[in-house]
Amino acid sequence: DVKVTQSSRYLVKRTGEKVFLECVQDMDHENMFWYRQDPGLGLRLIYFSYDVKMKEKGDIPEGYSVSREKKERFSLILESASTNQTSMYLCASSFSMQDTLDYEQYFGPGTRLTVT
Amino acid sequence: GENVEQHPSTLSVQEGDSAVIKCTYSDSASNYFPWYKQELGKRPQLIIDIRSNVGEKKDQRIAVTLNKTAKHFSLHITETQPEDSAVYFCAASRANFGNEKLTFGTGTRLTIIP
Repeated sequence: DVKVTQSSRYLVKRTGEKVFLECVQDMDHENMFWYRQDPGLGLRLIYFSYDVKMKEKGDIPEGYSVSREKKERFSLILESASTNQTSMYLCASSFSMQDTLDYEQYFGPGTRLTVT
Repeated sequence: GENVEQHPSTLSVQEGDSAVIKCTYSDSASNYFPWYKQELGKRPQLIIDIRSNVGEKKDQRIAVTLNKTAKHFSLHITETQPEDSAVYFCAASRANFGNEKLTFGTGTRLTIIP
C-alpha cells in the first residue's frame, strides 16, 4: 500500500517567514511532485523531481524552491511567505514511466497553509 | 507548454442518470490522459486512464474516450450513484523521461441528486 505523507495538515505562518513543507513516500518512487490547489484553478504544478538532486520547474515556480537530497523525501520551501501563497499544497509521487506501466501519481493528504 | 481545458466546472445529475465531463488539450505530443477523483476532504485518486494508442477504455460504470485528431477526451459515468459525488480532474502528459509531469484541468464538481 503506497503511502505518501506530508509533515503538517495545517500550518499558519506570518508574511516574510521561511516555510518548509516536507513530503515522504515509502514506495521507492523516482518521481515526486509539488502542486498547489486553489478553487477554480485545479491542481497547478510548482516543481517536480525525477531523481535525487534533480528538479524541474513546473507551471508556477515563482516564490518557491525545492530540495531532494534523498529519494524518499521532497521538500518545498517558501523563502519569504506572502499572503498570495495561502493555499492547499499537495505532494505526489510516481514510478518512472520508463520502468513501468503504472503511471499513477499517489497524492499525500495535503497541507493547508495560511499566511497572515 | 500543455494547456488542458475542462468543462463543465459544475454538473448536477439525478441518481441513475449519466454524467459526461469533457477536456481538450493543446500539445499534440501528449499521449497519456488520466482522470482523478477527489472526494471532499480527501486526496485525489486515479480512477481511469487512457493512452494514445487506444480510443476507448471502460471499467465498470466509467469509461473514457479519446479523439487524438480533435485533441479531446471525455469521462463518462453511467448509472450514477451518490458516492460518485466528487471533484473530477482530467490531465495530460507527454509521458517521456524527464517530462513525466501531468497538466491538470481545472476540475468538475459533480453532484448526484438522490
